[in-house]
Amino acid sequence: NAGVTQTPKFQVLKTGQSMTLQCAQDMNHEYMSWYRQDPGMGLRLIHYSVGAGITDQGEVPNGYNVSRSTTEDFPLRLLSAAPSQTSVYFCASRGQGAFPTDTQYFGPGTRLTVL
Amino acid sequence: DQQVKQNSPSLSVQEGRISILNCDYTNSMFDYFLWYKKYPAEGPTFLISISSIKDKNEDGRFTVFLNKSAKHLSLHIVPSQPGDSAVYFCAASPGSGNTGKLIFGQGTTLQVKP
Repeated sequence: NAGVTQTPKFQVLKTGQSMTLQCAQDMNHEYMSWYRQDPGMGLRLIHYSVGAGITDQGEVPNGYNVSRSTTEDFPLRLLSAAPSQTSVYFCASRGQGAFPTDTQYFGPGTRLTVL
Repeated sequence: DQQVKQNSPSLSVQEGRISILNCDYTNSMFDYFLWYKKYPAEGPTFLISISSIKDKNEDGRFTVFLNKSAKHLSLHIVPSQPGDSAVYFCAASPGSGNTGKLIFGQGTTLQVKP
């Protein structure tokens, strides 16, 4: 199993540009999430999904869109990039079992810089 | 409003000694608490967890203690090893079912000196 994969690893954007961060998992997990990590802030939840076709907002959803057309993929779209979106983005997935049997697995992250 | 707080940004200990990382929370409805470890340029990896109905969980060198009355949990690493040097995140499950949502603290950077 590859686990949770994210592409690209690094990205530099100009203010106003749009892009999609890709996330895929091969563990047949129903739950998938996107977090951003900023210095001194820990990981903050952007959007999450409990299954294909179902998404919901997390703590910091503004400026981001998601969709979940398949169980495997959960892309994160930046509609019009802003410098405040400079961050490291992590995708995570989890099975439907209870803790601790099923815990969250994280991808390696995408480091995004918006100029 | 930060529901999960790690008030110590960094901790330095000598190899072989005990490392104690602390975490405070405000929401009494959290039903599960987890600790994640993160190395630079990698995603967080799960370390150990504890249910809100327990007060202690042990896994090898790692023990997590939960004090519900104080809304406080701690991670003990004994003995500490240089390979334990990483950022440690405390996280809590909101208790609204198994949705995969976690609320994280700010993280504590642990340095274990040889």
